[in-house]
Amino acid sequence: SYELTQPPSVSVSPGQTASITCSGNKLGDKYTCWYQQKPGQSPVVVIYQDTKRPSGIPERFSGSNSGNTATLTISGTQAMDEADYYCQAWDSSSVVFGGGTKLTVL
Amino acid sequence: QVTLKESGPALVKPTQTLTLTCTFSGFSLTTSGMRVSWIRQPPGKALEWLARIDWDDDKFYSSSLKTRLSISKDTSKNQVVLTMTNMDPVDTATYYCARIPRYCPNGVCYSFFDYWGQGTLVTVSS
Repeated sequence: SYELTQPPSVSVSPGQTASITCSGNKLGDKYTCWYQQKPGQSPVVVIYQDTKRPSGIPERFSGSNSGNTATLTISGTQAMDEADYYCQAWDSSSVVFGGGTKLTVL
Repeated sequence: QVTLKESGPALVKPTQTLTLTCTFSGFSLTTSGMRVSWIRQPPGKALEWLARIDWDDDKFYSSSLKTRLSISKDTSKNQVVLTMTNMDPVDTATYYCARIPRYCPNGVCYSFFDYWGQGTLVTVSS
């Protein structure tokens, strides 16, 4: 079955740029989404179709996808961005989630 | 305004069958391209996709759980029901339902979970 691999944790200082990667075989051939989940809350999509931001998501969130790796980039990271982030792609008709990355802003 | 809400037992015993209902509003599962999925998340762990049902009644299941899962819809009630048989303590998790419509502008199709329910915690214990 298809697998998506994320680093368990990423740390970033306020105002700096955070990058979270998601790796999978030929992931660049698929569309990738990214979800943010804060403690006790349901996930919220922050990037879809590799690079697109839903309305209401700050411009500091951006995405890219090429080769075997998709990347979520948060520019000018704020304390409110501290959360778990999950990548998601499709394997045929099945949804696959990455293992999640805990972003710590310190 | 789109909303989804999960309901079902908070506690089930091992070997029992779990039945969860997702009641939604603000959209119809008869609309072409509309789809609803179930996702779960064990405490402190990652999201795991379980199943999906489409507007045309197509159904899809996680390959690792397909023998235990069944998904159905009642369009008149705006509900999607998930059943999971032979529950085990490892199935303890928060269960979410989420909308995942299929968009195909200009012939390029994509989809993502755009609305989620609040989730319901199911504990499996004797």
